[in-house]
Amino acid sequence: SQQGEEDPQALSIQEGENATMNCSYKTSINNLQWYRQNSGRGLVHLILIRSNEREKHSGRLRVTLDTSKKSSSLLITASRAADTASYFCATAFLNTGANSKLTFGKGITLSVRP
Amino acid sequence: NAGVMQNPRHLVRRRGQEARLRCSPMKGHSHVYWYRQLPEEGLKFMVYLQKENIIDESGMPKERFSAEFPKEGPSILRIQQVVRGDSAAYFCASSPSGSYSPLHFGNGTRLTVT
Repeated sequence: SQQGEEDPQALSIQEGENATMNCSYKTSINNLQWYRQNSGRGLVHLILIRSNEREKHSGRLRVTLDTSKKSSSLLITASRAADTASYFCATAFLNTGANSKLTFGKGITLSVRP
Repeated sequence: NAGVMQNPRHLVRRRGQEARLRCSPMKGHSHVYWYRQLPEEGLKFMVYLQKENIIDESGMPKERFSAEFPKEGPSILRIQQVVRGDSAAYFCASSPSGSYSPLHFGNGTRLTVT
């Protein structure tokens, strides 16, 4: 089964608003990563947060990780129409070390209205 | 530094034919992952390879599918005797150090089985 489950499945906001997307997972992880996918293209890495980190920033992106709740959130501030895309969280299991697959959720479709 | 290169971008095969999908990882990356994506769904892990070795093939169907990553040349995902259910987008990703670092994705091969 999928390790990461994103929520909501779809999100529509006005340009300038903030977008918050959530991800939950089931087992212990080494790290959690967020990716973005534009229609017809491959995924692009956004940010990686390790299990011993609680918060990370990159430009307009802020990611939090709560290992006690097994959940993460991605916040995009001051959204732009160009942020319209699908967003995925992916987790790397802890037990199998670096030689483990990244397991992706089903993704969140974000639409930012101009 | 060229990104992950996948070819062909689009591949049409009739039922029963073979499909060969190629992936050249980023320079210096020895870890390659293959994922399959169906419309409106997330990425499903298929196989994880390092040079000349299959590390994890837990997502590969037991029959008709095989993958390799030879010492020289690209990684190949091979699907024999394709069926309509194999129609999907297949993505390759590479990394320098497994799942402890971000994956770099190609733009995928869209396989259509007629």
